[in-house]
Amino acid sequence: NSKVIQTPRYLVKGQGQKAKMRCIPEKGHPVVFWYQQNKNNEFKFLINFQNQEVLQQIDMTEKRFSAECPSNSPCSLEIQSSEAGDSALYLCASSLQGTNERLFFGHGTKLSVL
Amino acid sequence: QQQVRQSPQSLTVWEGETAILNCSYEDSTFDYFPWYWQFPRESPALLIAIRPVSNKKEDGRFTIFFNKREKKLSLHITDSQPGDSATYFCAANTGGLSGKLTFGEGTQVTVIS
Repeated sequence: NSKVIQTPRYLVKGQGQKAKMRCIPEKGHPVVFWYQQNKNNEFKFLINFQNQEVLQQIDMTEKRFSAECPSNSPCSLEIQSSEAGDSALYLCASSLQGTNERLFFGHGTKLSVL
Repeated sequence: QQQVRQSPQSLTVWEGETAILNCSYEDSTFDYFPWYWQFPRESPALLIAIRPVSNKKEDGRFTIFFNKREKKLSLHITDSQPGDSATYFCAANTGGLSGKLTFGEGTQVTVIS
């Protein structure tokens, strides 16, 4: 059973609406990742954090996407103005020391933008 | 640009047979190659991983063969079981805390009993 908790499991939004999803990483894991997995199973890296600091992010997330990992609160990924192409499974993962260690994935938030 | 490629896209084998999944990569700086598997409606989970200092990594029925010169690796599943039916993802990373892990497109394996 995954110890990375993602909420909600399903999210339905209209185009232009804001979509927000949350992630509680496994206890003691300082590194958190967000990936987008599309219907073809392709993974797209979005952003990663060490504690509250952004380590790396793709250009896309600097525009409509925003993410944060505040101390003592769940991490979150927010899409300011959802588009149909944003429909995907959003996976949060955590690890002890980055990607050269095992990533523990949550069950994901399945976003459908109508 | 797809830096990690997998083939075949899907694979069906009989129970007891060996399934062979292929993976190739572009970036010669990649130095960590995990395989993740994902069951329907489940999250991906680490199956087995290898670093280029080795050309083979074995864990039970799962073995990675690694060819650094050709930038290729393969996952062999011996004595395949129906419970092995899943999508298998090859991934690669350049290492370090800020590495982002690049995934291949996946191979969907179906084991028929």
